[in-house]
Amino acid sequence: DTEVTQTPKHLVMGMTNKKSLKCEQHMGHRAMYWYKQKAKKPPELMFVYSYEKLSINESVPSRFSPECPNSSLLNLHLHALQPEDSALYLCASGLAESSGANVLTFGAGSRLTVL
Amino acid sequence: AQTVTQSQPEMSVQEAETVTLSCTYDTSESNYYLFWYKQPPSRQMILVIRQEAYKQQNATENRFSVNFQKAAKSFSLKISDSQLGDTAMYFCAFMNHNDMRFGAGTRLTVKP
Repeated sequence: DTEVTQTPKHLVMGMTNKKSLKCEQHMGHRAMYWYKQKAKKPPELMFVYSYEKLSINESVPSRFSPECPNSSLLNLHLHALQPEDSALYLCASGLAESSGANVLTFGAGSRLTVL
Repeated sequence: AQTVTQSQPEMSVQEAETVTLSCTYDTSESNYYLFWYKQPPSRQMILVIRQEAYKQQNATENRFSVNFQKAAKSFSLKISDSQLGDTAMYFCAFMNHNDMRFGAGTRLTVKP
């Protein structure tokens, strides 16, 4: 299995809703990432987990809450989002730094719309 | 913090011709990785080619090759024999300590 699977592909939520994005990989990667991508812009790093520990948090608002329950799963919990949070959310995984050349494999993304 | 600059927002090339996309970066690190990813309209980010900074030899992958100039902090991508399927957004990326950052991207259109 050489894929990163993201669910759901599309999500529409109101500003008072609580929802979650899910990411799964079975490549044995120990580093997992969340990126946010607005239209016609590059992906912006949000969070990095390395060996299930949060290693990078790019000062993301607390309405985004990441979780890495095990080495294969990464969640992004969403609560009280704003319309400007509407974007494509990309998950990626890769070898942890000490394991060699660090290619990231990306999922197809979850398109989030906040009404 | 590392920065990645792609100075060509859009480029076009005729099918079967060669095109070069530019990328420069700024870092004080000596050990890092550089990548080119493509993102077609399907939005899936796909690895095109990678380069380890400690390797002097330029990476090649079939029709794709890079010109890596470490001292100049330059990492350009050459696409030979361009194909219609190469039409996509191309992002240059820098990675160090599990931290991957992207340039603004170059939108490449291959014309028949």
